[in-house]
Amino acid sequence: DAKTTQPPSMDCAEGRAANLPCNHSTISGNEYVYWYRQIHSQGPQYIIHGLKNNETNEMASLIITEDRKSSTLILPHATLRDTAVYYCIVRVADKGSGYQKVTFGTGTKLQVIP
Amino acid sequence: DSGVTQTPKHLITATGQRVTLRCSPRSGDLSVYWYQQSLDQGLQFLIQYYNGEERAKGNILERFSAQQFPDLHSELNLSSLELGDSALYFCASSVGSRNEQFFGPGTRLTVL
Repeated sequence: DAKTTQPPSMDCAEGRAANLPCNHSTISGNEYVYWYRQIHSQGPQYIIHGLKNNETNEMASLIITEDRKSSTLILPHATLRDTAVYYCIVRVADKGSGYQKVTFGTGTKLQVIP
Repeated sequence: DSGVTQTPKHLITATGQRVTLRCSPRSGDLSVYWYQQSLDQGLQFLIQYYNGEERAKGNILERFSAQQFPDLHSELNLSSLELGDSALYFCASSVGSRNEQFFGPGTRLTVL
């Protein structure tokens, strides 16, 4: 898996958009960008993933640069419940049964401030 | 609720002992992953199984072992426990080997 780089921490005002960056300059052509978050010692929660097009779901939007070397997770209207550690990982995604070692890294600790 | 269950929720034991952590994946998921998270540390990947077979190995100690049974539940066995083994242990499951993972609530292991 390609390595990712994320800022260790960020603050965001409640109600504002939270933009979390991730660098993955060594990403391969068949690797997707995945985002997870972990709220205070709970099990990590899947948020979104994408290959090269921007993606949106009910939780967030994912913007991937054209060269795919970086991406941004956007929480459009951050709430206090969005305070968590956000992990960006890159990995191959298909329904195969092959070898897949997943590395989560240390993520970005997002603090939403009232 | 992710659909992944882990038991027990908490476990307190002494150094040198052996424990077994259990994970039941989401219905239909063939792949199970185990992770260790020590205090203020990131998630460390331990091992992955797919349909009963070991598929990937991470930083898993020789004192630790795992298996996935025919009904797809998985167990992580930790032996000769040391103080440093105290951590949260998470299990995750996914449909295939390379899809998004759904995590259980974790087992908090305390070694005294």
